[in-house]
Amino acid sequence: DQQVKQNSPSLSVQEGRISILNCDYTNSMFDYFLWYKKYPAEGPTFLISISSIKDKNEDGRFTVFLNKSAKHLSLHIVPSQPGDSAVYFCAASASRETSGSRLTFGEGTQLTVNP
Amino acid sequence: KAGVTQTPRYLIKTRGQQVTLSCSPISGHRSVSWYQQTPGQGLQFLFEYFSETQRNKGNFPGRFSGRQFSNSRSEMNVSTLELGDSALYLCASRLGENTDTQYFGPGTRLTVL
Repeated sequence: DQQVKQNSPSLSVQEGRISILNCDYTNSMFDYFLWYKKYPAEGPTFLISISSIKDKNEDGRFTVFLNKSAKHLSLHIVPSQPGDSAVYFCAASASRETSGSRLTFGEGTQLTVNP
Repeated sequence: KAGVTQTPRYLIKTRGQQVTLSCSPISGHRSVSWYQQTPGQGLQFLFEYFSETQRNKGNFPGRFSGRQFSNSRSEMNVSTLELGDSALYLCASRLGENTDTQYFGPGTRLTVL
C-alpha cells in the first residue's frame, strides 16, 4: 500500500522557468510533510517542510503548497537552476501517532533543469 | 556543526554473513532513524532509537536489529545476509520530537554477493 505517491518519475524544465513537483497521500493521519533532494551516492538533503495547520510555506526559491482536502502537496521551484537537477522525494509523517517518528517516502521524481 | 556521519561508506559481503553499520548523529540530536533504499522498494523505514531505546520499528524481519549508545551513536546489524539486503542504508538524526526535521547521512552502500 503506497501511502505517499509521486506519480511523475521525471520532469524536465528550462533554466529560469518554474518546476512543479507533485505528491499525493492517502493516510489522513499524516500531518507533517517534507521535501528532500537527493544526488546519487549521497543521502537526502532536507529542503522544506510544512505542517498540516498551514497551506503554504516558503523558503527562498522553494515553496510548498498543501491541499488537505485533496491530500495533495506540491513543491514549486522558481526560478529553476541547473544545480537543482536531482531526485526529489516527498515524505510524510503522522506526528501525533505512536508511529509518528517514521517518515513515509514517495518514489521520487527526477528533475532535470536544462541550461 | 558536523553533519550525520556513517561508516563504512561501502561494504561487500557474501550471503550468510553478518554486518554492522555505524551512525554518528549531529551533535545534540538524540534520535537516530535508519532507512533502507532499494531500486524496487524505494526508501523504507527500519527503526528509530531515542535515548538508547527503540521507539519505532518498520516492517523488516528480525535479522535487522539496532542499538543506540549513551552518546547517541547508533549501530545497525543485519545477520544472515541475503542477496536482497543489497541496498543503500541511510541514517537520519533529529533533536527528538516527531516534528523535528530529520537530517540524513551519506549512507552505507551494502552489496551482498
